[in-house]
Amino acid sequence: DQQVKQNSPSLSVQEGRISILNCDYTNSMFDYFLWYKKYPAEGPTFLISISSIKDKNEDGRFTVFLNKSAKHLSLHIVPSQPGDSAVYFCAASANFNKFYFGSGTKLNVKP
Amino acid sequence: GAGVSQTPSNKVTEKGKYVELRCDPISGHTALYWYRQSLGQGPEFLIYFQGTGAADDSGLPNDRFFAVRPEGSVSTLKIQRTERGDSAVYLCASSPGTGFTDTQYFGPGTRLTVL
Repeated sequence: DQQVKQNSPSLSVQEGRISILNCDYTNSMFDYFLWYKKYPAEGPTFLISISSIKDKNEDGRFTVFLNKSAKHLSLHIVPSQPGDSAVYFCAASANFNKFYFGSGTKLNVKP
Repeated sequence: GAGVSQTPSNKVTEKGKYVELRCDPISGHTALYWYRQSLGQGPEFLIYFQGTGAADDSGLPNDRFFAVRPEGSVSTLKIQRTERGDSAVYLCASSPGTGFTDTQYFGPGTRLTVL
């Protein structure tokens, strides 16, 4: 039973444009959400997080939006750069001990 | 400073054998997590340690899997009677353990192949 879903396995975007990666969850008890970035042969690297008391969090080119009523979060990258090409995972937690990850979206930013 | 390291980077074993996978967390990090990532999937939670104790082991799939962290630093994930379905990348992560929203730092993983 997958509680965190990323329905788009891949996304291709032109350099300089916006990348929007989406994530849906089913467990209404989740109150902390994160995005990780992963390059081949490396472990995931933390990118940005948001708690359920907020609906938006920004860090430079990265913004995460949370829509609790729709159980949906998204990651916006503006402007996209070729170095952003990687697999992006969203993750969620209800108790900060156990984290549930989506299956990932592979982003390709074309020069 | 040094990040999370995992050894070996690759492990090939035969069905039915026993394997141990090691994780060296970032020095001073009290929280340690193990995940399993199968092909095309995201990391799947296995177990969480706070210090020496397993605070949450609800993700261990069955009693063939066991993990220890005897001195609160290095952790070993042990898999008995390996099965082909155990083939995956096993990831370890650590965090400072000082707050609920600590960042988890992942190691590069151990790729386990069971023939």
